[in-house]
Amino acid sequence: QVQLQESGPGLVKPSETLSLICTVSGGSVSSGSYYWNWIRQPPGKGLEWIGYIYYSGSTNYNPSLKSRVSISVDTSKNQFSLKLRSVTAADTAVYYCVRNLLDCSGGSCYPRKFDYWGQGTLVTVSS
Amino acid sequence: SYELTQPPSVSVSPGQTASITCSGDKLGDKYACWYQQKSGQSPVLVIYQDIKRPSGIPERFSGSNSGNTATLTISGTQAMDEADYYCQAWDSSTVVFGGGTKLTVL
Repeated sequence: QVQLQESGPGLVKPSETLSLICTVSGGSVSSGSYYWNWIRQPPGKGLEWIGYIYYSGSTNYNPSLKSRVSISVDTSKNQFSLKLRSVTAADTAVYYCVRNLLDCSGGSCYPRKFDYWGQGTLVTVSS
Repeated sequence: SYELTQPPSVSVSPGQTASITCSGDKLGDKYACWYQQKSGQSPVLVIYQDIKRPSGIPERFSGSNSGNTATLTISGTQAMDEADYYCQAWDSSTVVFGGGTKLTVL
């Protein structure tokens, strides 16, 4: 059974960098069949996609966050990570790591569904 | 940027049919997914590629997508279906979520 588990500080000071790690079990971040994503949800609000990384290291980010975000992958540890720079209170949210299954049956690969989600971790930005 | 619009809330009586809409420009040309999120839990996929149900999702959940609107339909709604529902699509290699719909079963 695939499991994703977020870890990292629950409290970050304004202007500092938020750093989270997602550890994957029951599956491999080295597989070409998935995008590995970060999605967040501010308290009482909706879902916001942050970005994804592919096993090759290629990334794609939400344009509204692109200048502050970086996602990396560590295949040796079967983990991927999120860094969000210069945080403010507006970055307070539950952060989820999520797997997206790709459909590569036609030669090219297309994302199809967010099929496995981590339990989420609340990160509060406050001094 | 691409936007998906959902009604903030929908109410349904137990046993009746609930329909939740998701609107976006030419949404029917894209694949839509739907996620259910119960209070305090992570979202769960209930519909993908417009009409497909993952294993373990009850048959009462169904989807459609045409024109500018995708619809999630829950037939014979049960109290356990009370949750927030989010539609989602891909646009230019980025992910877009609708704002979410709170389904109340009363």
